[in-house]
Amino acid sequence: SQQGEEDPQALSIQEGENATMNCSYKTSINNLQWYRQNSGRGLVHLILIRSNEREKHSGRLRVTLDTSKKSSSLLITASRAADTASYFCAPGKGFQKLVFGTGTRLLVSP
Amino acid sequence: EPEVTQTPSHQVTQMGQEVILRCVPISNHLYFYWYRQILGQKVEFLVSFYNNEISEKSEIFDDQFSVERPDGSNFTLKIRSTKLEDSAMYFCASTTESGNQPQHFGDGTRLSIL
Repeated sequence: SQQGEEDPQALSIQEGENATMNCSYKTSINNLQWYRQNSGRGLVHLILIRSNEREKHSGRLRVTLDTSKKSSSLLITASRAADTASYFCAPGKGFQKLVFGTGTRLLVSP
Repeated sequence: EPEVTQTPSHQVTQMGQEVILRCVPISNHLYFYWYRQILGQKVEFLVSFYNNEISEKSEIFDDQFSVERPDGSNFTLKIRSTKLEDSAMYFCASTTESGNQPQHFGDGTRLSIL
């Protein structure tokens, strides 16, 4: 299937620290998308990295993609309490459905 | 920034009743999706829609479900005879025809079946 599996399942850090989340997948992809979900809310698109890209930055976010290992990582630098949320990766292929895993629950304490 | 909007934010319905969830996708988007998330579980795909027809549907999307694009802006999900297990957050998403673009999600409708 095209599901991404996030690791770790949960991550607890202090404000100001960096948070790294990893994603593994099994199929070929056109892109990989990262989303954030605050409790009870919708999925917010964070960043999309294409299969021919190795690294991408957006503000405090840095995403890497290694298609040979079928893995990606999301780094959030200088975390804030407002970053507390669940984070999901979703391998993308054309306009096909996204298949979500259980995500990484990030808790950033003040 | 354009966004996907969903109404209502919360819908409470008696079991067996019909419910229609509404979505306004981003205006230049042509691919539309419905997902749902039962409390504490994963986000699950229901159906995708393009060019006025269903592109793909999951096994959850049985005969009780239907989708429609009644006009140029709305995209609806109808559940004909709701069951208790239909209680969930329902998310609409859309994306452009350009390819390699993200799906943008609405804030969801919380459906509670009594």
